[in-house]
Amino acid sequence: SQTIHQWPATLVQPVGSPLSLECTVEGTSNPNLYWYRQAAGRGLQLLFYSVGIGQISSEVPQNLSASRPQDRQFILSSKKLLLSDSGFYLCAYGQTNTEAFFGQGTRLTVV
Amino acid sequence: GQQLNQSPQSMFIQEGEDVSMNCTSSSIFNTWLWYKQDPGEGPVLLIALYKAGELTSNGRLTAQFGITRKDSFLNISASIPSDVGIYFCAGPFSSGSARQLTFGSGTQLTVLP
Repeated sequence: SQTIHQWPATLVQPVGSPLSLECTVEGTSNPNLYWYRQAAGRGLQLLFYSVGIGQISSEVPQNLSASRPQDRQFILSSKKLLLSDSGFYLCAYGQTNTEAFFGQGTRLTVV
Repeated sequence: GQQLNQSPQSMFIQEGEDVSMNCTSSSIFNTWLWYKQDPGEGPVLLIALYKAGELTSNGRLTAQFGITRKDSFLNISASIPSDVGIYFCAGPFSSGSARQLTFGSGTQLTVLP
């Protein structure tokens, strides 16, 4: 069966510090992978998506970047966090180009 | 980009009552998805609809794919406390090299005992 793992669950980071959130998918190959951000418990905003290793598309300009070093690994990064980067980050995968399945999310608080 | 208008934004209902929420779009969708998000968790797919006019049930949940392909409805019957959460509609569209999902703004459901 297919599963998605995202960690950490919560993170408190100071302004200006780097960020690395990791997401891995099991039980499937060559999935589409997505990073979403959700502010204030509403509104899922697509940040990045990837259709294959090393292929990243960005939806919105921001202080974040994404990488896909392996087929089932998707990483969200920042060199220097801003206060406005706080939020709930969700990784998701899709196999059929229709549904998307989400990880548990990471609550990031930048202080 | 594609936009989905979801209503109502929030609902407060008594346990045992039925709930109805809907989603509309100015564009045609070939698939409609309904997700539920519990507090602090990722959204979970509840129902997927693939055909105009389709009516699909999942336990106490029933969703319909509008005949115009521009709307969808989700009904919850005999609500219980664990129905609390945010419900999102979503539809896929093509952008660049991948299919993406656009989401409604969500309906926050509160069930009062």
